[in-house]
Amino acid sequence: KQEVTQIPAALSVPEGENLVLNCSFTDSAIYNLQWFRQDPGKGLTSLLLIQSSQREQTSGRLNASLDKSSGRSTLYIAASQPGDSATYLCAVPVYGQNFVFGPGTRLSVLP
Amino acid sequence: NAGVTQTPKFQVLKTGQSMTLQCAQDMNHEYMSWYRQDPGMGLRLIHYSVGAGITDQGEVPNGYNVSRSTTEDFPLRLLSAAPSQTSVYFCASSSGPLRYFGPGTRLTVT
Repeated sequence: KQEVTQIPAALSVPEGENLVLNCSFTDSAIYNLQWFRQDPGKGLTSLLLIQSSQREQTSGRLNASLDKSSGRSTLYIAASQPGDSATYLCAVPVYGQNFVFGPGTRLSVLP
Repeated sequence: NAGVTQTPKFQVLKTGQSMTLQCAQDMNHEYMSWYRQDPGMGLRLIHYSVGAGITDQGEVPNGYNVSRSTTEDFPLRLLSAAPSQTSVYFCASSSGPLRYFGPGTRLTVT
């Protein structure tokens, strides 16, 4: 059974820092991985989708990497801003179009 | 486009009551799903549908029913609410790997 974990569970940093969020999965036979953002009291918004054939995907200040063999993905946020404060979740597909989600990392960026 | 909409936003039920959580999307997506989100546990799949008339169970289906009579709507029914069903419920739709989520329904069962 696929299991997804995320470290750390929570993170608080001053504005301007570069930071890394980690996601691990137990079954490396995945064909993509997604990172989502969730603001308090809101639904999830897809940030980045990495296909298994890719090693990295970038969108603005966000960069996600995927290492299938080690069962890991990282989300790198450059020059963090208070507006980046949210919970970040990673998810991998399991069957059909269904996902297994990690528990999330709650990020606070302090002004 | 309104995207994925959910009603109600908040609901309080007594144990044993039934109710329906509504979900609608206007993107003509075939795939729709329901998740519940509990602290520290991420999102868990309750039921999903790959098209009108087709539904299937996810990871935690007990106590919930779904139907899909149209492409647009995918309601989730709680048959006899229990305190363990206190959670935030999210509906999602997609036509590929990108998932679009509704804003959620916060349900409390007392």
